[in-house]
Amino acid sequence: QLVLTQSPSASASLGASVKLTCTLRSGHSSYAIAWHQQQPEKGPRYLMKLNSDGSHSKGDGIPDRFSGSSSGAERYLTISSLQSEDEADYYCQTWGTGIQVFGGGTKLTVL
Amino acid sequence: QVQLVESGGGVVQPGGSLRLSCAASGFIFSNYAMHWVRQAPGKGLEWVAFIRYDGSNKYYADSVKGRFTISRDNSKNTLYLQMNSLRAEDTAVYYCAKDSIQRYNYGPTSIDYWGQGTLVTFSS
Repeated sequence: QLVLTQSPSASASLGASVKLTCTLRSGHSSYAIAWHQQQPEKGPRYLMKLNSDGSHSKGDGIPDRFSGSSSGAERYLTISSLQSEDEADYYCQTWGTGIQVFGGGTKLTVL
Repeated sequence: QVQLVESGGGVVQPGGSLRLSCAASGFIFSNYAMHWVRQAPGKGLEWVAFIRYDGSNKYYADSVKGRFTISRDNSKNTLYLQMNSLRAEDTAVYYCAKDSIQRYNYGPTSIDYWGQGTLVTFSS
């Protein structure tokens, strides 16, 4: 079964960096994922597609502060030089034959 | 630029029906698969349904299978979600979303654009 696991919350200070993790269930470690950001009271926004080899392609207008990387079944989203507007929910997404799956989301607080 | 504008949400009674629409612009609508994704109040994202770029393949989440129908009119650049036998647990903001790969024949992939959503709520 295709499942994505995310920590419910994370926090980091203004100007610092943070690394969010999305974990694919065993047996699906080769799957690509996508990262999406949802700021308070807004619709989601696509950040990037992230492959198992760590290569990624970002959406239109996504700053260089956002980057992705992979290790085994783990997919990471790193945000550097944190800004107040980065305080948001972050969701990972993956897909299989006839199905889409979202992780439970990580709420990022910028201190 | 890509725009997805949902409409049709509102207040319904349990057992009722509603049809959502999503007007697309800024890309060749007929070349891309589309999705509906929902978000219950205070909860995470839940994928609802997928339709291939030409309408020939459709997939549904188990929670809506047999009650919801996704369709599209490529001549009108519009995506639809017909929702029947609605339940209180269907209360959510419903988002229209675009798949990222052009004319892809093998099912859903990454979502790369989202609409702003339309709210479906229930009256008691």
